[in-house]
Amino acid sequence: EAGVTQFPSHSVIEKGQTVTLRCDPISGHDNLYWYRRVMGKEIKFLLHFVKESKQDESGMPNNRFLAERTGGTYSTLKVQPAELEDSGVYFCASSPRDRGGYTFGSGTRLTVV
Amino acid sequence: AQSVAQPEDQVNVAEGNPLTVKCTYSVSGNPYLFWYVQYPNRGLQFLLKYITGDNLVKGSYGFEAEFNKSQTSFHLKKPSALVSDSALYFCAVRVIGGGYQKVTFGIGTKLQVIP
Repeated sequence: EAGVTQFPSHSVIEKGQTVTLRCDPISGHDNLYWYRRVMGKEIKFLLHFVKESKQDESGMPNNRFLAERTGGTYSTLKVQPAELEDSGVYFCASSPRDRGGYTFGSGTRLTVV
Repeated sequence: AQSVAQPEDQVNVAEGNPLTVKCTYSVSGNPYLFWYVQYPNRGLQFLLKYITGDNLVKGSYGFEAEFNKSQTSFHLKKPSALVSDSALYFCAVRVIGGGYQKVTFGIGTKLQVIP
C-alpha cells in the first residue's frame, strides 16, 4: 500500500509569493488532514476533509490559506501571499472512515524569506 | 477542549539504559492516545496507540506505553535504548466517539541516546 505522499519536500519562497503544497492520501481514505509545526512548537491542526467536504477548518490561521480537495482525492494547500511566520513543516495525514489511526506524509518544509 | 503536555523538551539517555518520555493529557471523555516519532528529515511515523483494554500497550521498535487513568498519563518507555532511537517524539490525544477525529498533539520531546 502506498503511503501518504507530499510534495514538494522543501520549498523556499520570498515573502509575498504564492506557494501550493500538495498531498496525495492513501487510496480509499476518506479523511484527510493538514497539520503544521512551526519550529519548536506543537503540531497544530489546520483542517480536516471528509472526501471533498471541509469537516473542520477551525485551525486555518487566516484567509491567506486556502485548502481544496476536488473530487475527494488529493488535496492542495495554497498560501497567498506568504508571510515570514508561515515558515514551518506542513504535514498531511489520512485515515479510513471511522478509524482513528492516522498515516502521515513526510511533510513539506516551507521557508519564507 | 483537549490538550497534551510533554514536560521535557529533551531527554538524554545512555545506550542500553531504559528510557521514558513523559506525556500527560486532558480530555473530556475517554481518550484515544497515540505516540508518533519523527526521525531527522523524515515524516511522522506511528508508534503505538491506546483505546481500551490492557493499560500497557506495545508498539513498534520495542517501544511500549503505559496508560494511567488516575494520573492522566501515557508515558512512552523502552527497556533498552538504541542510538537509532534518537528522534523527536510526539504524544497525541483525541476523544473516543462523537464521529469527529481531530487529534491534538504535544510539543514534542527530543530523545538523545548517547553511545
